[in-house]
Amino acid sequence: GEDVEQSLFLSVREGDSSVINCTYTDSSSTYLYWYKQEPGAGLQLLTYIFSNMDMKQDQRLTVLLNKKDKHLSLRIADTQTGDSAIYFCAESKGNDMRFGAGTRLTVKP
Amino acid sequence: KAGVTQTPRYLIKTRGQQVTLSCSPISGHRSVSWYQQTPGQGLQFLFEYFSETQRNKGNFPGRFSGRQFSNSRSEMNVSTLELGDSALYLCASSLEANEKLFFGSGTQLSVL
Repeated sequence: GEDVEQSLFLSVREGDSSVINCTYTDSSSTYLYWYKQEPGAGLQLLTYIFSNMDMKQDQRLTVLLNKKDKHLSLRIADTQTGDSAIYFCAESKGNDMRFGAGTRLTVKP
Repeated sequence: KAGVTQTPRYLIKTRGQQVTLSCSPISGHRSVSWYQQTPGQGLQFLFEYFSETQRNKGNFPGRFSGRQFSNSRSEMNVSTLELGDSALYLCASSLEANEKLFFGSGTQLSVL
């Protein structure tokens, strides 16, 4: 497909792990990104992975990349109520940056 | 290091008016991109400027225009506003085009 695709909603309990999935479009994309948007704010760059990597870990965040299936995931360990937000995946290739529609993560106490 | 600054934070205009939004990028960043965010359409790319030149443009009508100054600050202008232009307008800066974008808080435009 031509769009970066994400599921729209995810709900988890505080302390559980969250996994947000994304399917991107271009196997030759150079970088893949995860952004977080809280209400009334802009997008905050959370983490990114270069296309020749399979995994990247940064504290509670783990990014997994499956290039064969063009699948990207973001795992948040020990999810907290402050993690409630919209998460966008994005791919870049050259001068083109494409965003998914965003996944709204709700964390229940 | 200061982040990306967008002004104003909120704007209310009426149909037919024009509006100018401002963006100051992170110091040292020469690329500035603009996006429109609406609940129905998500994030839509407007244009990207690098060293005062528009290098990339999204699929928006000519009523949407922009420019970049020698200090990398950027403005976007929307003329003859329509109700459908109501949106959050986000500016992002980066060292190079579309790599590790850093976003401002946005300007929320309401067209009545």
